[in-house]
Amino acid sequence: EAEVAQSPRYKITEKSQAVAFWCDPISGHATLYWYRQILGQGPELLVQFQDESVVDDSQLPKDRFSAERLKGVDSTLKIQPAELGDSAMYLCASSLSSGTSGSREQFFGPGTRLTVL
Amino acid sequence: GNSVTQMEGPVTLSEEAFLTINCTYTATGYPSLFWYVQYPGEGLQLLLKATKADDKGSNKGFEATYRKETTSFHLEKGSVQVSDSAVYFCAISNFGNEKLTFGTGTRLTIIP
Repeated sequence: EAEVAQSPRYKITEKSQAVAFWCDPISGHATLYWYRQILGQGPELLVQFQDESVVDDSQLPKDRFSAERLKGVDSTLKIQPAELGDSAMYLCASSLSSGTSGSREQFFGPGTRLTVL
Repeated sequence: GNSVTQMEGPVTLSEEAFLTINCTYTATGYPSLFWYVQYPGEGLQLLLKATKADDKGSNKGFEATYRKETTSFHLEKGSVQVSDSAVYFCAISNFGNEKLTFGTGTRLTIIP
C-alpha cells in the first residue's frame, strides 16, 4: 500500500542550528501539506503546495521557516535558526488534488519529531 | 475562521464499554467533517468523514453524524476494544479547500 514517507523520524538539535525535514508523498498526489503538531495539541497547517506552487503559507513563520517542492514531487521543510519553541512533531500529508468536487482525503506520514535543546 | 472544540481527555474505559467523544465546530460556509485517529508512533489515519448534513460516517464500528443544527460531529462506538486505544482528532475543512482545522485531540485508553 502506498504511503507518505518522511525522514528523519527523530531529530535532536541545539537552538540556533539549522534543521531540514524531507517528505515524499504518495505517487500521483498533486497536493502536499506540512503540519506542525505541538505536544497535546492538534496539527496546524504550515504550508500547502499544489504541484510546485505554494497555495497557502499564511501560518508559516517566514523569518525562520522555508519550504520547497521544486519538481512538484518531494518536499523539504527547513528551519533556520531553530528555537526552543519549535520542538514539535512535523507531519507531512498528501492528497490527490485540491479542487471543487469536495474535500479529498489527506494521507499522513509518520512525522518527524523535533527536539530543540 | 474555522475552529473545533473537542472533548478533553484523557478518557479511560473498560473493554466493551460505550464510547462517546464530543466534537463541536464553528465554520464559515458548509464544511466537511472528519475524525482522524493516531496510534502510538504512527501518523494520523482517516477514521471516518461526512460531507453534508445528516450524513453518517462509519468505519471499524465507529460512527458520527453530521448535525448542522447543533454544529456537532460526536464520535461513538458501542463496544470498545483494547486495540482502540489511541488519540482521536476531530477536524473540519471547507468545500473546495482541503485545509484541515483540528481539535486538540482526545487520548483514549481501553483497559481489559
